[in-house]
Amino acid sequence: AQSVSQHNHHVILSEAASLELGCNYSYGGTVNLFWYVQYPGQHLQLLLKYFSGDPLVKGIKGFEAEFIKSKFSFNLRKPSVQWSDTAEYFCAVTSYNFNKFYFGSGTKLNVKP
Amino acid sequence: NAGVTQTPKFRVLKTGQSMTLLCAQDMNHEYMYWYRQDPGMGLRLIHYSVGEGTTAKGEVPDGYNVSRLKKQNFLLGLESAAPSQTSVYFCASSSTGRLGNQPQHFGDGTRLSIL
Repeated sequence: AQSVSQHNHHVILSEAASLELGCNYSYGGTVNLFWYVQYPGQHLQLLLKYFSGDPLVKGIKGFEAEFIKSKFSFNLRKPSVQWSDTAEYFCAVTSYNFNKFYFGSGTKLNVKP
Repeated sequence: NAGVTQTPKFRVLKTGQSMTLLCAQDMNHEYMYWYRQDPGMGLRLIHYSVGEGTTAKGEVPDGYNVSRLKKQNFLLGLESAAPSQTSVYFCASSSTGRLGNQPQHFGDGTRLSIL
């Protein structure tokens, strides 16, 4: 089975601080990568995705992520967080070679106003 | 524009009772999934389906059964509920495209408590 690791389980930042959340996956083949956000009490919503092409992808709400194939990483970034970014963030990976999605365990982000 | 709809939203069961969770999607997606979400464990795949009439086991299938009799519906059954099945259950659907599996769309979840 494949694995997705999110090393930061809980991150606390002040508003306007920069954010970087780590995501590493284990599959060595071609991958499709995603970041999802889950606001308190809500379902997961897609933030951004990478399929191919430019390894720096931009998503909604000012988030971006960089795919580094050599490091098996897909880290999420935001230059300046807001209180409304308080949520749990999940990294996910899938591939042509399997029909499933593999999710990381999630990172809870708490932004202090 | 419903997307993925889960029913019920909340349910309390006694140990040993049975129930069925319903997931319906209106996007004509081929793939459907059932996950459970527990604190600190992310999303764990219970069962999934790649098309009408087909199902497959995920990471944590024990104690659950599923059926996909119609393309738009994916049912998750608990035959004999146990306290360890207390969780939030999410259904998701997705399609495939030229570049592979497209992003999943999630339902709002079903919060299930087993006493």
